[in-house]
Amino acid sequence: RKEVEQDPGPFNVPEGATVAFNCTYSNSASQSFFWYRQDCRKEPKLLMSVYSSGNEDGRFTAQLNRASQYISLLIRDSKLSDSATYLCVVNGKTGRRALTFGSGTRLQVQP
Amino acid sequence: GAGVSQSPSNKVTEKGKDVELRCDPISGHTALYWYRQSLGQGLEFLIYFQGNSAPDKSGLPSDRFSAERTGGSVSTLTIQRTQQEDSAVYLCASSLGSGLDEKLFFGSGTQLSVL
Repeated sequence: RKEVEQDPGPFNVPEGATVAFNCTYSNSASQSFFWYRQDCRKEPKLLMSVYSSGNEDGRFTAQLNRASQYISLLIRDSKLSDSATYLCVVNGKTGRRALTFGSGTRLQVQP
Repeated sequence: GAGVSQSPSNKVTEKGKDVELRCDPISGHTALYWYRQSLGQGLEFLIYFQGNSAPDKSGLPSDRFSAERTGGSVSTLTIQRTQQEDSAVYLCASSLGSGLDEKLFFGSGTQLSVL
């Protein structure tokens, strides 16, 4: 089982739609969870941290489900500019402090 | 500079040659990561430095790969006897430390092409 798994997509949605991605992780002891955004041929940039109590930032909501070992990202009222690859990040491997990235979920918002 | 700086931005080399990639992290950031990303793929962890602790080298794919971080700042990733499968974007990231809310700041990467 991969340390961090994501559906690669692509998710093709119309502008204004609500879309959600999940990400599962294998290390039940993981403490740090993040969503990063990566535009085509660019470096990843932090979108938001994921806290136990959930986290909301404008149109974006991130949640953590420890029992089922997954995190989610919900995007409301999708914009064309939301088109990107969304990377799930966890300190995935037992004993490793370094953060592990999922392969990403590609979102394409269409006019 | 304000951000993570990587050089060169592009490197074309012949199979069998050695290459050195450089990363200059954000000033004051104690943690430094190297990842690589092949076209259309996710980020593959290579190596992690945190302060004066021994680096986590568990992601290095072979003994042809090595990295060092001098004075807790600049890092160099060295690939010896390059192979075509080493072609990828090599990304460096730094962060303030190893707290639970660790946020990574990435450089724009080095595109390595091995012919």
